Amino acid sequence: SQELEQSPQSLIVQEGKNLTINCTSSKTLYGLYWYKQKYGEGLIFLMMLQKGGEEKSHEKITAKLDEKKQQSSLHITASQPSHAGIYLCGADMSYGQNFVFGPGTRLSVLP
Amino acid sequence: SAVISQKPSRDICQRGTSLTIQCQVDSQVTMMFWYRQQPGQSLTLIATANQGSEATYESGFVIDKFPISRPNLTFSTLTVSNMSPEDSSIYLCSVWGSGESSYNEQFFGPGTRLTVL
Repeated sequence: SQELEQSPQSLIVQEGKNLTINCTSSKTLYGLYWYKQKYGEGLIFLMMLQKGGEEKSHEKITAKLDEKKQQSSLHITASQPSHAGIYLCGADMSYGQNFVFGPGTRLSVLP
Repeated sequence: SAVISQKPSRDICQRGTSLTIQCQVDSQVTMMFWYRQQPGQSLTLIATANQGSEATYESGFVIDKFPISRPNLTFSTLTVSNMSPEDSSIYLCSVWGSGESSYNEQFFGPGTRLTVL
């Protein structure tokens, strides 16, 4: 089984709608990272969360890490076609363990 | 910010051969990271390349298969040795640097798309 789970696997929303993507682990995370992957644009780092309860925003994207540091959500407000892509979460699991990535969530935004 | 270039951008190789991928950064960085993304899969961290010391490999990756060089603070190479079709992937180089918002950001190269026949 995956060490990091993401939900949903894919998401299709109408432009202007809000959406949330979740990343969940059964273990406490030392650091949680969000990325966006878009064909032709490569992989883009979005933000990093390290403290329980931490929340960060960048433009219309907000990410939160829960107090237990086992779950993170990525929220996009008023989605636009430019938000379309695959969103990946990545995490430092613990000392001595691999850095792992979630399977990704494919987002499509319809104009 | 950091601008990263990779060479080659893509290659098609025969089974059993080796390919060296180059990564060049426009600023000095302590650590450089190598990832791969197999078709339809998520990213996997291969190793961390440190200047002046041996690379640190993640579980499942070994130096004999993926030797790494780090001759200076702006350059690294990853070699994929004795290739098999299972090595067909996109290989990405990455560094951490200061972003626009002043907190650390991770930057990625454009990737090297490798196909092994």
